[in-house]
Amino acid sequence: DTGVSQNPRHKITKRGQNVTFRCDPISEHNRLYWYRQTLGQGPEFLTYFQNEAQLEKSRLLSDRFSAERPKGSFSTLEIQRTEQGDSAMYLCASSRSGTGSYEQYFGPGTRLTVT
Amino acid sequence: RKEVEQDPGPFNVPEGATVAFNCTYSNSASQSFFWYRQDCRKEPKLLMSVYSSGNEDGRFTAQLNRASQYISLLIRDSKLSDSATYLCVVNRPNQGGKLIFGQGTELSVKP
Repeated sequence: DTGVSQNPRHKITKRGQNVTFRCDPISEHNRLYWYRQTLGQGPEFLTYFQNEAQLEKSRLLSDRFSAERPKGSFSTLEIQRTEQGDSAMYLCASSRSGTGSYEQYFGPGTRLTVT
Repeated sequence: RKEVEQDPGPFNVPEGATVAFNCTYSNSASQSFFWYRQDCRKEPKLLMSVYSSGNEDGRFTAQLNRASQYISLLIRDSKLSDSATYLCVVNRPNQGGKLIFGQGTELSVKP
């Protein structure tokens, strides 16, 4: 399977705990995006990387959130001191810049439930 | 006001019906436009890009009016399998290509 993969698919955690999610993009894609989606809403942009550089972070990304893409391949999103409001689907997408196409392909998401 | 606004839905239609979704966007810097389809508890999947001249893919037709900042999607001869949420999406390449999504319109096709 050469699509975007995410792990874990589901995560239940208690408030105050830290969680980390992983995303593996399509191999030739140099751009990687994180989005968050809550029930009844469209996905909202959180941050993106071009290769290993994090080039933009949304205001939604509080200081409890950190994302990395150390070698320009997979990425991790960590949430520290989780809150119930962090419960959402966290989606990763990838694309390739320089082709003139801005299509992004999504992974299956990680569904986070904070109890 | 949201940057991308869609008909709230849900749309409940019989099989074989034609259904149209509308979407408006507020940022004239938006340069690329898409419709994504999202099944319940699944990830969004690209349905089609939307071009200025309009484009068609089988039963699906997308239109873009840049002057009015309006995007539409027409589904003809709807099938049960078309039941999903349809997301209107704009993209600003000069901002890293991040996607801005509408809230989505739910479609339910009934036998």
